[in-house]
Amino acid sequence: LAKTTQPISMDSYEGQEVNITCSHNNIATNDYITWYQQFPSQGPRFIIQGYKTKVTNEVASLFIPADRKSSTLSLPRVSLSDTAVYYCLVRTNAGKSTFGDGTTLTVKP
Amino acid sequence: GAVVSQHPSWVICKSGTSVKIECRSLDFQATTMFWYRQFPKQSLMLMATSNEGSKATYEQGVEKDKFLINHASLTLSTLTVTSAHPEDSSFYICSADGHLPTNTEAFFGQGTRLTVV
Repeated sequence: LAKTTQPISMDSYEGQEVNITCSHNNIATNDYITWYQQFPSQGPRFIIQGYKTKVTNEVASLFIPADRKSSTLSLPRVSLSDTAVYYCLVRTNAGKSTFGDGTTLTVKP
Repeated sequence: GAVVSQHPSWVICKSGTSVKIECRSLDFQATTMFWYRQFPKQSLMLMATSNEGSKATYEQGVEKDKFLINHASLTLSTLTVTSAHPEDSSFYICSADGHLPTNTEAFFGQGTRLTVV
């Protein structure tokens, strides 16, 4: 399984755009990149998933360069409720994923 | 979206007893489910892969005789912590693969907080 590396923590202010980058140098050809959000004492919540280039949904965008060795989660105009831990996962065809350490995002007023 | 439900949400048990945690996929069939454990302020650690109709596959260092996994149907996997001890106190989370035509994301349950006293 490809190991992922993310910044341990990030601070931001309400209304700002937040970009969290994840490294996954050993990603395999058929692996997907998935991002999850986790609040304390809750299960992870799916944010976005992609294979290559750019994916956008109603809550985030995911940028993946051509070599797929990294990805960047972009959260537009964060609010206080976006304070959480964000995990970048590389997911195999068999569905197996390994969680990295995650990024603790703190949004300040 | 697809929903995965865990029961119970929290449980307190005495040391030496066994505890069963259920993981259900409510609106889809899951041939594969995964069990994770999370200690405070740490990441999720994959414990085992639960396969419907066959034996679970355990990650290195996870005792299969202590953490019994049963995946008897396409919508239910159970994790039984046998002879629980205080060091087994943790947050246990399951996930299920969405085998929908165009969807490969995993759906996570809400987690089960186990406290062994």
